[in-house]
Amino acid sequence: ETGVTQSPTHLIKTRGQQVTLRCSSQSGHNTVSWYQQALGQGPQFIFQYYREEENGRGNFPPRFSGLQFPNYSSELNVNALELDDSALYLCASSLGSGGGYGYTFGSGTRLTVV
Amino acid sequence: AQSVAQPEDQVNVAEGNPLTVKCTYSVSGNPYLFWYVQYPNRGLQFLLKYITGDNLVKGSYGFEAEFNKSQTSFHLKKPSALVSDSALYFCAVRPRNQAGTALIFGKGTTLSVSS
Repeated sequence: ETGVTQSPTHLIKTRGQQVTLRCSSQSGHNTVSWYQQALGQGPQFIFQYYREEENGRGNFPPRFSGLQFPNYSSELNVNALELDDSALYLCASSLGSGGGYGYTFGSGTRLTVV
Repeated sequence: AQSVAQPEDQVNVAEGNPLTVKCTYSVSGNPYLFWYVQYPNRGLQFLLKYITGDNLVKGSYGFEAEFNKSQTSFHLKKPSALVSDSALYFCAVRPRNQAGTALIFGKGTTLSVSS
């Protein structure tokens, strides 16, 4: 059974650019959630996808958007990058959107905006 | 607002001594409770969770956590600390029966175990 895989592991972007981060969920998991972890902080919930539809969103602006594909993998897109978007982005997959089965996290993508 | 508090930024303990990392929460209902550990430049590794049942939950690497409903706490414990336990620990809660929500994390506690 494979775990959660995120790509790329690191990237550097310029302010104003757009970025796409990718996540492959754990086998059998149909729900993916994304988190932003700024330096020295706990992860903050961005949004969640369940069976290809967004079914929850944290306090993030619309320039943070996502997709979930039929194989339950997911993308996080961020437009008009700002310096404060520099963070570790974590993807977590789970079985069902209710939370009771727990969450498996990937190793994250470290985004630096310059 | 729903929140999770980890009152200690850092916990220092000598190897072989017991450790406790504290967590309290302010979330309506009976949330699911989790502990995760993070090593430098890595993602989050699951340690344990409380869903229902016995208030003492046993998890990975000898860790356990005690759920106290009246105090809304979920403290992480280990009877005998190892140097390799040194890492960043996060408490997280997931409101139960609230569609569209996910994990709410504390700000983390750095555990430092000295030899």
